[in-house]
Amino acid sequence: DAKTTQPNSMESNEEEPVHLPCNHSTISGTDYIHWYRQLPSQGPEYVIHGLTSNVNNRMASLAIAEDRKSSTLILHRATLRDAAVYYCILRAYSGAGSYQLTFGKGTKLSVIP
Amino acid sequence: GAGVSQSPRYKVAKRGQDVALRCDPISGHVSLFWYQQALGQGPEFLTYFQNEAQLDKSGLPSDRFFAERPEGSVSTLKIQRTQQEDSAVYLCASSLGQNNQPQHFGDGTRLSIL
Repeated sequence: DAKTTQPNSMESNEEEPVHLPCNHSTISGTDYIHWYRQLPSQGPEYVIHGLTSNVNNRMASLAIAEDRKSSTLILHRATLRDAAVYYCILRAYSGAGSYQLTFGKGTKLSVIP
Repeated sequence: GAGVSQSPRYKVAKRGQDVALRCDPISGHVSLFWYQQALGQGPEFLTYFQNEAQLDKSGLPSDRFFAERPEGSVSTLKIQRTQQEDSAVYLCASSLGQNNQPQHFGDGTRLSIL
């Protein structure tokens, strides 16, 4: 999978919006942009994914730049339960028969009460 | 409904012992993945099954690691002659199919080798 770059950590106040950035300048035309998050002592949890258009679901919104070289995960109203490590992942067919996820170090989001 | 279940939740073994880690995927999920997560790092891919076929084992770190899914549902990751560097959280994930379906993760097995 192509490489992504994320800030190591971010802070947000509770009940405020959070914008988590991700750079992926080497993205190819068939790479999907996936976001997962991992709460302490739990496995990763799927958040959202998209290809070109902005996407919304009950958890978050994904804003994708027109050139697709960057994207932003938007949490509209941060809660204490949103404190987690957020991973931005480019996902494409591996050629070996699988779509495994290639995780980086992610962004550790802290939410301040 | 039930999510991905992994057992045991914690495993302590002495160096040189063999261990077996179990994964019960979501019913009906065709694809199953194993990942290894070292402390402070993101998960790293180990191996992938489509039904009972192991289609990708490129991430297995050595021939001491072996995975199987004989009936296309439950999977077992076995580590022989464990070493201290095998200490990590082992995560299992399943998904509906081979394409860009989201992966659903279990909470992992934390393996500690003494």
